[in-house]
Amino acid sequence: QVQLVESGGGVVQPGGSLRLSCAASGFTFSSYGMHWVRQAPGKGLEWVAFIRYDGSNKYYADSVKGRFTISRDNSKNTLYLQMNSLRAEDTAVYYCAKDREGRRVYYFDYWGQGTLVTVSS
Amino acid sequence: QSVLTQPPSVSGAPGQRVTISCTGSSSNIGAGYDVHWYQQLPGTAPKLLIYGNSNRPSGVPDRFSGSKSGTSASLAITGLQAEDEADYYCQSYDSSLSGPHVVFGGGTKLTVL
Repeated sequence: QVQLVESGGGVVQPGGSLRLSCAASGFTFSSYGMHWVRQAPGKGLEWVAFIRYDGSNKYYADSVKGRFTISRDNSKNTLYLQMNSLRAEDTAVYYCAKDREGRRVYYFDYWGQGTLVTVSS
Repeated sequence: QSVLTQPPSVSGAPGQRVTISCTGSSSNIGAGYDVHWYQQLPGTAPKLLIYGNSNRPSGVPDRFSGSKSGTSASLAITGLQAEDEADYYCQSYDSSLSGPHVVFGGGTKLTVL
């Protein structure tokens, strides 16, 4: 069965950096696009970033563009999110989610359990 | 402020039918992009409920149905059960922003009375 397991969350000071990982199993990771979606405490879902199946295209929400970088290692079945210049408003649970498609953004058919990132001094 | 608009809350008694609306614009739902729905039970990750406007993944009861018309979409839940109490989110795609963007509704909290 499909499993997505995030890790790397924690407490970081404003201006700091953090790298999240998402270990995928149960499907052919290299065939599907992948996303990061976040949810601030008590708030709704916010899409963060998408990467195509082969890593050739990456798209970002305006709120994180220039600060966050999505990447993947298909040999390790792992998705990453490098987060730099973190702000208090980046505090959220970060979910890794699999897209139903490989080349285009469509919908999320599987989600991880999430990892909490807290930006605070 | 979410690109897609949902009512903050809806409620219904067990056995009743409720609907949740999702209103967009000509750059997302109205442009022909599909709408998808997710259910988030308290303290858990979201789960796909409806994809491609009206399709249910295997395992989702047929009490849940989706529809789309013009710049809006709706999720209907019939025969409400206590376990349906959750947050529901609609999702689509928007081509007007700087690059391809996934857009969500703000979420609707369903309370089963």
